[in-house]
Amino acid sequence: AQSVTQPDIHITVSEGASLELRCNYSYGATPYLFWYVQSPGQGLQLLLKYFSGDTLVQGIKGFEAEFKRSQSSFNLRKPSVHWSDAAEYFCAVGANTGNQFYFGTGTSLTVIP
Amino acid sequence: GAGVSQSPSNKVTEKGKDVELRCDPISGHTALYWYRQSLGQGLEFLIYFQGNSAPDKSGLPSDRFSAERTGGSVSTLTIQRTQQEDSAVYLCASSAGPLTEAFFGQGTRLTVV
Repeated sequence: AQSVTQPDIHITVSEGASLELRCNYSYGATPYLFWYVQSPGQGLQLLLKYFSGDTLVQGIKGFEAEFKRSQSSFNLRKPSVHWSDAAEYFCAVGANTGNQFYFGTGTSLTVIP
Repeated sequence: GAGVSQSPSNKVTEKGKDVELRCDPISGHTALYWYRQSLGQGLEFLIYFQGNSAPDKSGLPSDRFSAERTGGSVSTLTIQRTQQEDSAVYLCASSAGPLTEAFFGQGTRLTVV
């Protein structure tokens, strides 16, 4: 069965520091992978997605993610975090049947000045 | 409209009452999803509509939950005889097709007292 694991429930980083949020998935075929961000009281916004091709994908707001098939991972990175990046981040994998996206439980990011 | 619109944004209801949550997807989007987000949890898939196909109801937690999508556009999620464990944020998303980017509404926060 498809599943997504985000092992870090909460992460705190200093503004300007680098960031890596972990995501591991379980899926039998080539996955469609997504990272979404949710600010307080808001819906989810797509940061980036991977369907095929280059395994390093660039997204909005300076985020990038790397698909590593051997590790079943799709970690999100940002070289320098801004205070406005404080939010909840969700990794998701899409089933090739198109019926749904499987979401992780999210990682809450706190940015300290 | 420009985005996915959900109404109401907040709903407080008494245990045992029925509630209806509405979702207006982005015009032209054929796929529509409902998810439930409980405090500290990931997104729980509820139901998926794709065009005129039969909906995927596999995520509905009980027969108290039902959803319709009229005319391939607006969707209504109905919860009958609400229970306290139904308290959550209900998120709707739409996409142009299976596994294309899903755009989320801001959600309806349901509180059952």
